[in-house]
Amino acid sequence: KAGVTQTPRYLIKTRGQQVTLSCSPISGHRSVSWYQQTPGQGLQFLFEYFSETQRNKGNFPGRFSGRQFSNSRSEMNVSTLELGDSALYLCASSQGTGRYTGELFFGEGSRLTVL
Amino acid sequence: GENVEQHPSTLSVQEGDSAVIKCTYSDSASNYFPWYKQELGKGPQLIIDIRSNVGEKKDQRIAVTLNKTAKHFSLHITETQPEDSAVYFCAAEYALNFGKGTSLLVTP
Repeated sequence: KAGVTQTPRYLIKTRGQQVTLSCSPISGHRSVSWYQQTPGQGLQFLFEYFSETQRNKGNFPGRFSGRQFSNSRSEMNVSTLELGDSALYLCASSQGTGRYTGELFFGEGSRLTVL
Repeated sequence: GENVEQHPSTLSVQEGDSAVIKCTYSDSASNYFPWYKQELGKGPQLIIDIRSNVGEKKDQRIAVTLNKTAKHFSLHITETQPEDSAVYFCAAEYALNFGKGTSLLVTP
Protein backbone atom coordinates (compact mmCIF):
# COMPACT_ATOMS: atom_id res chain seq x y z
CA LYS A 1 0.00 0.00 0.00
CA ALA A 2 1.50 3.33 -1.02
CA GLY A 3 2.12 5.85 1.73
CA VAL A 4 1.34 9.54 1.85
CA THR A 5 2.99 11.38 -1.02
CA GLN A 6 3.86 15.04 -0.88
CA THR A 7 5.09 17.16 -3.76
CA PRO A 8 7.29 18.99 -4.26
CA ARG A 9 9.79 17.83 -1.67
CA TYR A 10 11.85 21.02 -1.80
CA LEU A 11 11.16 24.47 -3.10
CA ILE A 12 12.57 27.96 -2.84
CA LYS A 13 10.44 31.07 -3.19
CA THR A 14 10.91 34.77 -2.62
CA ARG A 15 8.92 37.03 -0.37
CA GLY A 16 5.57 38.05 -1.79
CA GLN A 17 5.20 35.00 -4.00
CA GLN A 18 2.68 32.26 -3.45
CA VAL A 19 3.13 28.52 -3.26
CA THR A 20 0.94 25.45 -3.67
CA LEU A 21 1.79 22.14 -2.02
CA SER A 22 0.17 18.85 -2.88
CA CYS A 23 -0.64 15.77 -0.81
CA SER A 24 -1.90 12.39 -1.95
CA PRO A 25 -3.24 10.38 1.00
CA ILE A 26 -3.20 6.65 1.54
CA SER A 27 -5.86 4.97 -0.55
CA GLY A 28 -9.13 4.84 1.34
CA HIS A 29 -8.24 7.62 3.77
CA ARG A 30 -10.69 10.47 3.68
CA SER A 31 -9.08 12.81 6.19
CA VAL A 32 -6.07 14.96 5.36
CA SER A 33 -4.38 17.24 7.88
CA TRP A 34 -1.63 19.77 7.34
CA TYR A 35 1.06 20.82 9.79
CA GLN A 36 3.83 23.38 9.80
CA GLN A 37 7.05 22.23 11.44
CA THR A 38 9.72 24.68 12.54
CA PRO A 39 12.64 24.13 14.95
CA GLY A 40 11.26 26.43 17.64
CA GLN A 41 7.55 25.69 17.41
CA GLY A 42 7.38 21.98 16.74
CA LEU A 43 4.31 20.72 14.89
CA GLN A 44 1.62 23.32 14.44
CA PHE A 45 -1.76 22.32 13.09
CA LEU A 46 -2.94 24.22 10.04
CA PHE A 47 -6.19 22.55 8.99
CA GLU A 48 -7.95 19.25 8.43
CA TYR A 49 -10.14 18.25 5.53
CA PHE A 50 -12.60 15.39 5.47
CA SER A 51 -14.67 14.54 2.43
CA GLU A 52 -13.81 17.84 0.75
CA THR A 53 -14.89 19.92 3.77
CA GLN A 54 -12.64 21.75 6.18
CA ARG A 55 -13.41 20.12 9.50
CA ASN A 56 -10.89 21.83 11.76
CA LYS A 57 -8.65 24.85 11.51
CA GLY A 58 -5.62 26.01 13.44
CA ASN A 59 -4.52 29.54 14.31
CA PHE A 60 -2.89 30.63 11.11
CA PRO A 61 -3.59 33.77 9.08
CA GLY A 62 -5.84 33.71 6.06
CA ARG A 63 -2.81 33.59 3.76
CA PHE A 64 -2.81 29.87 4.49
CA SER A 65 -5.57 28.00 2.75
CA GLY A 66 -6.33 24.53 1.59
CA ARG A 67 -8.74 22.35 -0.24
CA GLN A 68 -9.53 18.71 -0.79
CA PHE A 69 -10.67 17.08 -3.98
CA SER A 70 -13.19 14.29 -4.48
CA ASN A 71 -10.38 11.73 -4.66
CA SER A 72 -9.17 12.93 -1.22
CA ARG A 73 -6.04 14.52 -2.60
CA SER A 74 -5.37 17.84 -0.92
CA GLU A 75 -3.54 21.04 -1.67
CA MET A 76 -2.49 23.87 0.56
CA ASN A 77 -1.66 27.34 -0.62
CA VAL A 78 0.31 30.10 1.01
CA SER A 79 -0.02 33.53 -0.52
CA THR A 80 2.16 36.60 -0.05
CA LEU A 81 5.00 34.57 1.38
CA GLU A 82 6.96 35.90 4.34
CA LEU A 83 10.39 34.87 5.57
CA GLY A 84 8.76 33.28 8.61
CA ASP A 85 6.87 30.86 6.38
CA SER A 86 10.08 28.92 5.81
CA ALA A 87 9.34 25.51 7.29
CA LEU A 88 8.69 21.87 6.66
CA TYR A 89 5.04 21.38 5.72
CA LEU A 90 3.75 17.96 6.63
CA CYS A 91 0.63 16.30 5.40
CA ALA A 92 -1.01 13.42 7.23
CA SER A 93 -3.87 11.20 6.25
CA SER A 94 -6.17 9.07 8.37
CA GLN A 95 -9.42 7.22 8.07
CA GLY A 96 -10.89 9.92 10.28
CA THR A 97 -14.40 8.55 10.28
CA GLY A 98 -15.11 8.73 13.97
CA ARG A 99 -14.82 11.34 16.67
CA TYR A 100 -11.09 10.75 16.81
CA THR A 101 -9.02 11.55 13.79
CA GLY A 102 -7.29 8.32 14.55
CA GLU A 103 -3.76 7.34 13.67
CA LEU A 104 -2.11 9.88 11.45
CA PHE A 105 0.10 8.68 8.61
CA PHE A 106 2.55 11.39 7.66
CA GLY A 107 4.30 12.10 4.42
CA GLU A 108 7.93 13.15 4.35
CA GLY A 109 7.03 16.79 3.95
CA SER A 110 7.64 19.69 1.61
CA ARG A 111 10.59 21.86 2.64
CA LEU A 112 9.81 25.50 1.80
CA THR A 113 12.50 28.15 1.92
CA VAL A 114 11.49 31.78 1.51
CA LEU A 115 14.23 34.20 0.55
CA GLY B 1 -8.46 25.39 22.83
CA GLU B 2 -6.24 22.57 24.00
CA ASN B 3 -2.70 23.48 25.07
CA VAL B 4 -0.05 20.76 25.30
CA GLU B 5 3.24 21.33 27.11
CA GLN B 6 6.09 18.87 26.64
CA HIS B 7 9.29 18.47 28.65
CA PRO B 8 12.20 18.22 28.33
CA SER B 9 12.99 19.70 24.92
CA THR B 10 16.21 17.68 24.73
CA LEU B 11 17.21 14.50 26.49
CA SER B 12 20.47 12.62 26.34
CA VAL B 13 20.83 9.14 27.84
CA GLN B 14 23.31 6.32 27.64
CA GLU B 15 22.39 3.13 25.87
CA GLY B 16 20.55 0.83 28.21
CA ASP B 17 19.22 3.60 30.43
CA SER B 18 15.58 4.63 30.63
CA ALA B 19 14.11 7.81 29.16
CA VAL B 20 11.00 9.63 30.32
CA ILE B 21 9.19 12.40 28.47
CA LYS B 22 6.33 14.25 30.12
CA CYS B 23 3.38 16.17 28.73
CA THR B 24 0.61 18.17 30.31
CA TYR B 25 -2.64 19.24 28.72
CA SER B 26 -5.23 21.82 29.56
CA ASP B 27 -8.59 20.52 28.33
CA SER B 28 -10.06 18.05 30.79
CA ALA B 29 -12.38 16.80 28.05
CA SER B 30 -9.44 15.32 26.10
CA ASN B 31 -9.61 11.54 25.94
CA TYR B 32 -7.00 10.42 23.44
CA PHE B 33 -3.25 10.82 23.79
CA PRO B 34 -0.91 9.60 21.05
CA TRP B 35 2.87 9.67 20.88
CA TYR B 36 4.73 10.08 17.61
CA LYS B 37 8.38 9.46 16.76
CA GLN B 38 10.10 11.39 14.02
CA GLU B 39 13.38 10.13 12.65
CA LEU B 40 15.68 12.41 10.71
CA GLY B 41 14.31 13.23 7.27
CA LYS B 42 11.03 11.41 7.82
CA GLY B 43 7.52 12.26 8.88
CA PRO B 44 6.34 11.42 12.41
CA GLN B 45 5.06 7.93 13.04
CA LEU B 46 2.68 6.75 15.74
CA ILE B 47 4.42 4.58 18.30
CA ILE B 48 1.83 4.26 21.05
CA ASP B 49 -1.40 5.86 22.18
CA ILE B 50 -3.67 5.73 25.20
CA ARG B 51 -7.30 6.51 25.83
CA SER B 52 -8.63 7.96 29.03
CA ASN B 53 -10.28 4.76 30.22
CA VAL B 54 -6.88 3.23 31.06
CA GLY B 55 -4.01 4.49 33.18
CA GLU B 56 -1.14 2.68 31.49
CA LYS B 57 -0.33 0.92 28.26
CA LYS B 58 2.80 -1.01 27.31
CA ASP B 59 4.29 -2.19 24.07
CA GLN B 60 7.61 -3.97 24.53
CA ARG B 61 10.11 -1.32 25.69
CA ILE B 62 7.66 1.54 25.42
CA ALA B 63 4.96 2.50 27.91
CA VAL B 64 2.65 5.43 28.36
CA THR B 65 1.02 6.46 31.63
CA LEU B 66 -1.90 8.81 32.04
CA ASN B 67 -3.04 10.78 35.07
CA LYS B 68 -6.33 12.41 34.16
CA THR B 69 -6.71 14.11 37.51
CA ALA B 70 -3.42 15.91 37.14
CA LYS B 71 -3.84 16.19 33.35
CA HIS B 72 -0.48 14.78 32.47
CA PHE B 73 0.83 11.78 30.60
CA SER B 74 4.30 10.37 30.09
CA LEU B 75 6.25 8.25 27.65
CA HIS B 76 8.68 5.73 29.16
CA ILE B 77 11.34 4.01 27.08
CA THR B 78 13.33 1.30 28.83
CA GLU B 79 16.63 -0.27 27.77
CA THR B 80 17.21 2.52 25.27
CA GLN B 81 19.06 1.77 22.05
CA PRO B 82 20.78 4.10 19.56
CA GLU B 83 17.90 3.62 17.13
CA ASP B 84 15.61 5.25 19.68
CA SER B 85 17.36 8.54 18.90
CA ALA B 86 14.68 10.74 17.33
CA VAL B 87 12.27 13.55 18.08
CA TYR B 88 9.21 12.50 20.06
CA PHE B 89 5.92 14.38 20.04
CA CYS B 90 2.98 14.01 22.35
CA ALA B 91 -0.50 15.14 21.41
CA ALA B 92 -3.93 15.46 22.93
CA GLU B 93 -7.35 14.54 21.63
CA TYR B 94 -7.50 14.68 17.88
CA ALA B 95 -3.70 14.94 17.56
CA LEU B 96 -4.41 18.42 16.32
CA ASN B 97 -2.47 19.81 19.23
CA PHE B 98 1.08 18.57 19.50
CA GLY B 99 3.70 19.34 22.09
CA LYS B 100 6.84 21.04 20.81
CA GLY B 101 8.80 17.83 20.79
CA THR B 102 11.65 16.19 22.67
CA SER B 103 14.90 15.43 20.91
CA LEU B 104 16.18 12.18 22.39
CA LEU B 105 19.79 11.17 21.89
CA VAL B 106 20.94 7.73 22.95
CA THR B 107 24.71 7.43 23.09
CA PRO B 108 26.44 4.04 22.86
